[in-house]
Amino acid sequence: DTAVSQTPKYLVTQMGNDKSIKCEQNLGHDTMYWYKQDSKKFLKIMFSYNNKELIINETVPNRFSPKSPDKAHLNLHINSLELGDSAVYFCASSLILAGAHNEQFFGPGTRLTVL
Amino acid sequence: AQTVTQSQPEMSVQEAETVTLSCTYDTSESDYYLFWYKQPPSRQMILVIRQEAYKQQNATENRFSVNFQKAAKSFSLKISDSQLGDAAMYFCAYRSASRRGNTPLVFGKGTRLSVIA
Repeated sequence: DTAVSQTPKYLVTQMGNDKSIKCEQNLGHDTMYWYKQDSKKFLKIMFSYNNKELIINETVPNRFSPKSPDKAHLNLHINSLELGDSAVYFCASSLILAGAHNEQFFGPGTRLTVL
Repeated sequence: AQTVTQSQPEMSVQEAETVTLSCTYDTSESDYYLFWYKQPPSRQMILVIRQEAYKQQNATENRFSVNFQKAAKSFSLKISDSQLGDAAMYFCAYRSASRRGNTPLVFGKGTRLSVIA
């Protein structure tokens, strides 16, 4: 019954490694997002996809590459992990209807720790 | 670019009392949405309440209500009859009401609310 799921929930890895975080939604939504929450709890948008098309790409290092194989999935791949990448990464999804509030539903978050 | 400011990093309230969390925002747009999200220790982001900018009436959801002052660009959250389960981080968020509808949320830095038994 999980609406927006992320795997893994926790990820501990060494600097320099490459890792992926997966996100799936079963709500029938057409838009998915990645947000980053830093150690001070500040949440900021990273990417947004609408119908598998990249819509928003904020100032994020090229080491971060999102991939949306279909409308229900948005994965985040991170190359050459750095200490500063340690954060909680949230996936979210929404159904875009013109003129509506288009509530975003969040996944449980993935806590990434880079050692 | 839009910004959201929460000037109270921490707040506390006695159980059963009322508390108000402040939020101001900066935008040149006339049409947008405002939200309050709750993040308990489980870190799940939970939508508490939302407000459409074109509506003058303040939104209410059970014990939660907002005071939306569009001219002042203020959007405060009032929690009545506070309960222990209300203890969490609360985030104010703004979303532009673009025609495409897929604009992201812009968050404030959050207010940590403690509820004292």
